[in-house]
Amino acid sequence: DVKVTQSSRYLVKRTGEKVFLECVQDMDHENMFWYRQDPGLGLRLIYFSYDVKMKEKGDIPEGYSVSREKKERFSLILESASTNQTSMYLCASSLSDTFFYGYTFGSGTRLTVV
Amino acid sequence: SQQGEEDPQALSIQEGENATMNCSYKTSINNLQWYRQNSGRGLVHLILIRSNEREKHSGRLRVTLDTSKKSSSLLITASRAADTASYFCAIKAAGNKLTFGGGTRVLVKP
Repeated sequence: DVKVTQSSRYLVKRTGEKVFLECVQDMDHENMFWYRQDPGLGLRLIYFSYDVKMKEKGDIPEGYSVSREKKERFSLILESASTNQTSMYLCASSLSDTFFYGYTFGSGTRLTVV
Repeated sequence: SQQGEEDPQALSIQEGENATMNCSYKTSINNLQWYRQNSGRGLVHLILIRSNEREKHSGRLRVTLDTSKKSSSLLITASRAADTASYFCAIKAAGNKLTFGGGTRVLVKP
């Protein structure tokens, strides 16, 4: 069964910490995405990547960075965690031709910054 | 904004009834997709309808798309308690990004 795996379901971090959220997909997908989901705001795109070592800013990239050193892995980095980054983080991947195919999502990481 | 907007925000029905939710958007699209999210979990892709299609079916799901009205609807027939979830429409315009709406919360009562 193909899937997207996020390394942690729940994380609690302190303000100012550097936080790494890991996402791995086993489908050989070219595209990978990081979203955050907050009540009343829906899903908002943070960063995405079309290929290894490539990254593009989404709608809300401030306070985040990403790394894609290998095709299957896309990491989201919170450089200095703040309480307003408490959220559900969702990773997704897709084939390059998104006209015909949807996204496959991971189960999410619920991050709490205290 | 390209974001899809779902209506209603919440829906409560009895098991066996049909559930209908709508999605409106503001720009030209390549395709429109519907996803389901069970509480606290990731999203699951349900169905994709391309801009040149008007209707698609998948099991108990029926999706329509009216590009002239910039709207889509998702119908779940003969609902079950397991259909309780949030449902999101997602817009694919140019490029490979999807833009999601705020979702419709569906509660199916046994």
